[in-house]
Amino acid sequence: DAKTTQPNSMESNEEEPVHLPCNHSTISGTDYIHWYRQLPSQGPEYVIHGLTSNVNNRMASLAIAEDRKSSTLILHRATLRDAAVYYCILRAVSGTYKYIFGTGTRLKVLA
Amino acid sequence: NAGVTQTPKFQVLKTGQSMTLQCAQDMNHEYMSWYRQDPGMGLRLIHYSVGAGITDQGEVPNGYNVSRSTTEDFPLRLLSAAPSQTSVYFCASSYWQRNTGELFFGEGSRLTVL
Repeated sequence: DAKTTQPNSMESNEEEPVHLPCNHSTISGTDYIHWYRQLPSQGPEYVIHGLTSNVNNRMASLAIAEDRKSSTLILHRATLRDAAVYYCILRAVSGTYKYIFGTGTRLKVLA
Repeated sequence: NAGVTQTPKFQVLKTGQSMTLQCAQDMNHEYMSWYRQDPGMGLRLIHYSVGAGITDQGEVPNGYNVSRSTTEDFPLRLLSAAPSQTSVYFCASSYWQRNTGELFFGEGSRLTVL
């Protein structure tokens, strides 16, 4: 199973942009890159996903490297409510049907 | 909108007891899965299913059984609880055939084994 690597923790000031990196050097050509976040005492929630092109939604943007070996989740203006653990995972289209979560990045937002 | 429903939310067991964590979804998702999350740790996949009658092991399947007799339900059984199984358990489901495959999670079931 392809794995992802993320920094254990990051800090950001409120209302500043945050760039959360993820390395996935063993990604296969058909793996989708998914991001989830887990707020304190809650289950994870979907944030965004992509395959090759950069993606935007109301929550965040996803920038995918041209070789797809890394990606970056971008929160354009961090708020205190964005303090959470962010997980980057790979979703295979076929074959193994596993969503494998790593340890994620704990984002601390400073007021 | 019910989404993914887990019961019970809290449970205390004694070592050696058995119990079943229930998970139900009303979104007609093919894919369902169970994760455990130990304090301060990430999620680890226990078992998953891609449809009724089909189940497979995840990263940490030992000590747990699952079955998938209907599309809606995916119960997780602990046959003989051990203190090492003290954790928060999350059930998640998604469409599998669609490209999005967004996972929807339940609120979690906190299990303590004494």
